[in-house]
Order: sequence, then C-alpha cells, then structure tokens
Amino acid sequence: DVKVTQSSRYLVKRTGEKVFLECVQDMDHENMFWYRQDPGLGLRLIYFSYDVKMKEKGDIPEGYSVSREKKERFSLILESASTNQTSMYLCASSLDLLLEGDTQYFGPGTRLTVL
Amino acid sequence: EDKVVQSPLSLVVHEGDTVTLNCSYEVTNFRSLLWYKQEKKAPTFLFMLTSSGIEKKSGRLSSILDKKELFSILNITATQTGDSAVYLCAVGGYTGANSKLTFGKGITLSVRP
Repeated sequence: DVKVTQSSRYLVKRTGEKVFLECVQDMDHENMFWYRQDPGLGLRLIYFSYDVKMKEKGDIPEGYSVSREKKERFSLILESASTNQTSMYLCASSLDLLLEGDTQYFGPGTRLTVL
Repeated sequence: EDKVVQSPLSLVVHEGDTVTLNCSYEVTNFRSLLWYKQEKKAPTFLFMLTSSGIEKKSGRLSSILDKKELFSILNITATQTGDSAVYLCAVGGYTGANSKLTFGKGITLSVRP
C-alpha cells in the first residue's frame, strides 16, 4: 500500500514565523503535490514537483515555496506565516497521471493555525 | 485556466435513496477524471475515468464520463449513512511531460437514517 505521511497533524504558529511542512512518500513516486483545503473553496494546488529539484507553481503559489532534494520528500515552506494561511494542508503523490490506472494518494493532512 | 464545477454543492437524502452527483469541466489536454470521497480525513480514491474507460462501477457506486459534453456523474444507489461525505471531482490535464489535477469544490452529501 502507498503511504504518504506528513510531519504534523496539527500546528500552531505565530504571524511572521517561518513554517516547514514535510511530506514523505514510500512508493518511489515521481510526482508530489501540495494543496490547501478551505471551506467553500475546495482543494487548491499550491505547488507540485515532477522530479527531484524540479517544481512547478500551481494555482496559488504566492506566499509559499517548496523544496524537493530527495525523491521521497517534498517540503512546503511558509517564509513568513500570515493569518490567511490558516488552512488544512494536504500532500499527495502519484506515479504518473498520464498512465491508465494511476491515481493520486493523499497524506493525512496538517491543520495549520496562524495566530 | 482549467476549471471543474460540481453540483449541487450539498445534498440531503434519506437512507435507501439514489443520488446523482455532477461534475463538469474545462481542461487543457484532458487525460483523466477522478472521483474521491472525503470524510473527516484525507480524500480516498473512488474511480478514474479516461478515454478508454468511460464507465466504472463498484458495488452501489457507478460513474460515467461524457467526453463530448465534458461532464461526469457519480451515482450512488441504496444510500447508507456511511455514504455521508464530501465527494470531490478532479480532472487531470498535462502540459508537456508534466501532469496535475484540478479539483472541484466538492459536494457535501448527508444521508439521514
């Protein structure tokens, strides 16, 4: 079974702090994704990565950066957290969405609160 | 810009009813449409529909894809309280060698006993 883990389930930070959210997958997947999920807005893609050291902006990259130094690990960084970044953050991975039968597997999520 | 619209936004039914959830999309270089179920945790995969697989069925759940009209429906028959969840539709498109999913806002289904 594919396993995607996230470093924290709940996190509380203060405005202006630097925040690291870590995601690890154990299936040698090429693609990894960071989403945020907010009531009424659904899942929105922040960044994704299709290979080590490669990254692509999603729909809402502002205020975020990412790092993928190793294939299994994809980090989301909030350089200076703000209250509007309070949200549920979901990490996902997939082998390749181009292939029939492939899908995207999600981690358990990190609920981040910025005070 | 890729776009996925789900309707209705929420739905309340009684156990035993049949429900139909809708998903329409506009996406560049369509590859796949996925349905997920989300309870109070991360989304779990239900179906993937592609050009070569436009109908899927698993137990009481079934889904079809209409690539001409750019929509999909998810049907749930004989609903149970355990079907209460948010149902997410996502469409996979790609540019070059990369691929990503665009999600709809989800449909909240509540099944009353």
